[in-house]
Amino acid sequence: SQTIHQWPATLVQPVGSPLSLECTVEGTSNPNLYWYRQAAGRGLQLLFYSVGIGQISSEVPQNLSASRPQDRQFILSSKKLLLSDSGFYLCAYNPLSANYGYTFGSGTRLTVV
Amino acid sequence: GENVEQHPSTLSVQEGDSAVIKCTYSDSASNYFPWYKQELGKRPQLIIDIRSNVGEKKDQRIAVTLNKTAKHFSLHITETQPEDSAVYFCAAKDPGYSTLTFGKGTMLLVSP
Repeated sequence: SQTIHQWPATLVQPVGSPLSLECTVEGTSNPNLYWYRQAAGRGLQLLFYSVGIGQISSEVPQNLSASRPQDRQFILSSKKLLLSDSGFYLCAYNPLSANYGYTFGSGTRLTVV
Repeated sequence: GENVEQHPSTLSVQEGDSAVIKCTYSDSASNYFPWYKQELGKRPQLIIDIRSNVGEKKDQRIAVTLNKTAKHFSLHITETQPEDSAVYFCAAKDPGYSTLTFGKGTMLLVSP
């Protein structure tokens, strides 16, 4: 069966510190992968998506970056966090070439202090 | 690109009442329309979806209707229960793109 793992679940980081959030998918090959951010009480903001290894599309220019070093691994990074980076970060996937909805990971709640 | 409008932003009902959430989309090529439920602090979860070759789909107390001509689709929840309280997101997908376009969400509050 297909599953998605995302960690850590919560994170408190000081302003200016680096960030690395990781997401892995099991049970499917070559999935589309997505990073979303959700501010408190707000909608889903697409940050990055990837349709293959090394292929990253950025939707929102900011101090975040994403990488896909392996087929089923998606990493969200920052060199220096800002207060405005606080939020609920969600990884999601759907099978490539399939017109299906996403399956979301359990999310990481990031608080920048 | 696709644009999805969702209404209302907040909906309060009494337990046992029905709830309807409406979405409109702009891209006539979109052919897949999922609905997600997000409980407080949790991940969004797919609760029902519909494809453009179908006008209505039901799953127990929830149903989704699609009007391709008018480019709108709706989520219907009957006999609401307190555990239905959550934020609901609609979305649309153009098969030519790799991403879903989400509405801004509806907070549904079901009072006992």
